[in-house]
Parts: sequence; C-alpha cells; structure tokens
Amino acid sequence: GAVVSQHPSRVICKSGTSVKIECRSLDFQATTMFWYRQFPKQSLMLMATSNEGSKATYEQGVEKDKFLINHASLTLSTLTVTSAHPEDSSFYICSADTGTDNQPQHFGDGTRLSIL
Amino acid sequence: ILNVEQSPQSLHVQEGDSTNFTCSFPSSNFYALHWYRWETAKSPEALFVMTLNGDEKKKGRISATLNTKEGYSYLYIKGSQPEDSATYLCAFMDSSYKLIFGSGTRLLVRP
Repeated sequence: GAVVSQHPSRVICKSGTSVKIECRSLDFQATTMFWYRQFPKQSLMLMATSNEGSKATYEQGVEKDKFLINHASLTLSTLTVTSAHPEDSSFYICSADTGTDNQPQHFGDGTRLSIL
Repeated sequence: ILNVEQSPQSLHVQEGDSTNFTCSFPSSNFYALHWYRWETAKSPEALFVMTLNGDEKKKGRISATLNTKEGYSYLYIKGSQPEDSATYLCAFMDSSYKLIFGSGTRLLVRP
C-alpha cells in the first residue's frame, strides 16, 4: 500500500519550455504533498508543501512564479517549471503524507529534468 | 539553518559484515527522525519513524537507535547482503512537520 506515482521520470527539453510533473497517490488520499529538489551529491531540499484546495507554501528562496504547484485533489499534485532554463536542470521528487501522526512520507520515483 | 549530517558519506563492506552509520541532527525542537532506504532508480522506502528518546526499532537485519538529547541516531545492518546496497537517508522533523534530509550514506556490499 501507500504507492505514489510520479510522471514523467525523465524530461529533456529546450530552454524556455514549461514542464509539468505529476505526482499521484494511487491507493490513499494524501492530505499533504511535498516537492523536493536534489542537486548532485546534495541532500533532498524541500521546495514547497501543498495541501489539497489551498495555495502551496514555498520554502525560502524558491520562486513561486517559477515553480507553480497545483493540488487539485486529494490524489494529485502537479509541479510546473515555467520557462525552464539550464539552471533549473535537476532531480525533482514528490512525496505524500496520509495525515496520520508519526507515519513516513511516501515518495514517487522522481523526475530527472534536463534543460538544453 | 537546521543541519542534518550523515557519516560516512559512503561505505564499502564485504557480504556478511555488519555495519553502522550515523545521523546527527539538532537536539532542540525535536519531533521525529525518519530513516529511508533509497535504491538506484527506485523511490525512497521508509525504514523507521522514531520519536522517543532511547527508541530502538528493528526491521529484519536492520535496526536503529535514537538519542534526542544529544542529537544522533545510529542505523545498524547485521550481516550485510548485496541487496542492502543503497543510499540510506535520515531526515529530521521539528514542530513544523517538514523533513530536513541529510546527504545520505551510500552503502555498497560486495558479494
């Protein structure tokens, strides 16, 4: 149980393109979803927290106009990297929370984004 | 800035060896400490969520301890197997309920 599907797993596109990444909880309702970014040889860094039906909360230094997050339902959150540039190339991964205390987050497989 | 440190960065052991690694985290405002196992091309898999000082948890050959007063947790693997090869991540959670991850310990178990 507690499976999270993230799609696509890999994107290569030209500078200026907007890229949408989907994160779905397949067998549970996710009250909260999280978006992380990982640079090479670094730790997972939280970008934003999203709750269904409300605006995402962004971490300091993360541009909300660059990284648009929509959490339209209890099973789907999307991250759109708008007008992506080479410096946005990174590994992006989502996780979902069941809302139960002291339970782990459930992660997707991640998306490797390469902007040419 | 909250800092979570893991050591060593990487570890190579022989099959059958037992091993352990460390996660250190802030000792104030503690809520929980998570351990995840992350194999290449897969999603991080939850191992333990630890909340109480002195907690010890076990899952098969893997166990973990927690000291919230001094801000560290140890992960132990008894009799390592090649399938244990993965990156082991710890993450600190304070009252904000956000996870702050360490950089991980990359374990390679040679047959």
